[in-house]
Amino acid sequence: DTEVTQTPKHLVMGMTNKKSLKCEQHMGHRAMYWYKQKAKKPPELMFVYSYEKLSINESVPSRFSPECPNSSLLNLHLHALQPEDSALYLCASSQEGTGGGSQHFGDGTRLSIL
Amino acid sequence: GQNIDQPTEMTATEGAIVQINCTYQTSGFNGLFWYQQHAGEAPTFLSYNVLDGLEEKGRFSSFLSRSKGYSYLLLKELQMKDSASYLCAVLSSYTGGFKTIFGAGTRLFVKA
Repeated sequence: DTEVTQTPKHLVMGMTNKKSLKCEQHMGHRAMYWYKQKAKKPPELMFVYSYEKLSINESVPSRFSPECPNSSLLNLHLHALQPEDSALYLCASSQEGTGGGSQHFGDGTRLSIL
Repeated sequence: GQNIDQPTEMTATEGAIVQINCTYQTSGFNGLFWYQQHAGEAPTFLSYNVLDGLEEKGRFSSFLSRSKGYSYLLLKELQMKDSASYLCAVLSSYTGGFKTIFGAGTRLFVKA
């Protein structure tokens, strides 16, 4: 069982749809992350939230829009995605709000764009 | 820029010892992590080294040499369940905080 919960586990959407990925942790961690992982590749950092504020955006296209409503929740809003955006999207959290420390990962959302 | 290199694949025998190497080049180095990732699952934390030397944790040990930009993960008494990808990840500082950059991972196959 993971302490970082992601929903949904699987998502299939068309290129014109709008959907959201959700992530929740109740460990009191102050940094939360979104990663994108393609098959047989390492996780690629997309966004980092430190103390509920966006601290890193790794030049991610605007069709991905992160949101951190509170210290336990992290969302990723999706709109007008492309087929190449199909991947596993991992959420992670770490105790240190500055982005250091080991990260706890959720099981991910497997996203397929038709 | 940042660069992390590790072998793509390794094969070892159950009960044996295997060493997975990682070399890195980065600015603002603040430590190195090893994560394990089974196929279709999330990465899980194995170890963290920030000072030179060997850190031992059960069957797994991790070594760091900052001057050489080199680390290794040592797995002893290999078990079939150790078949997984092992990700070397570097923690780098930037203005305002830190970020973790992952290497491409080493896929380890443990055979009977």
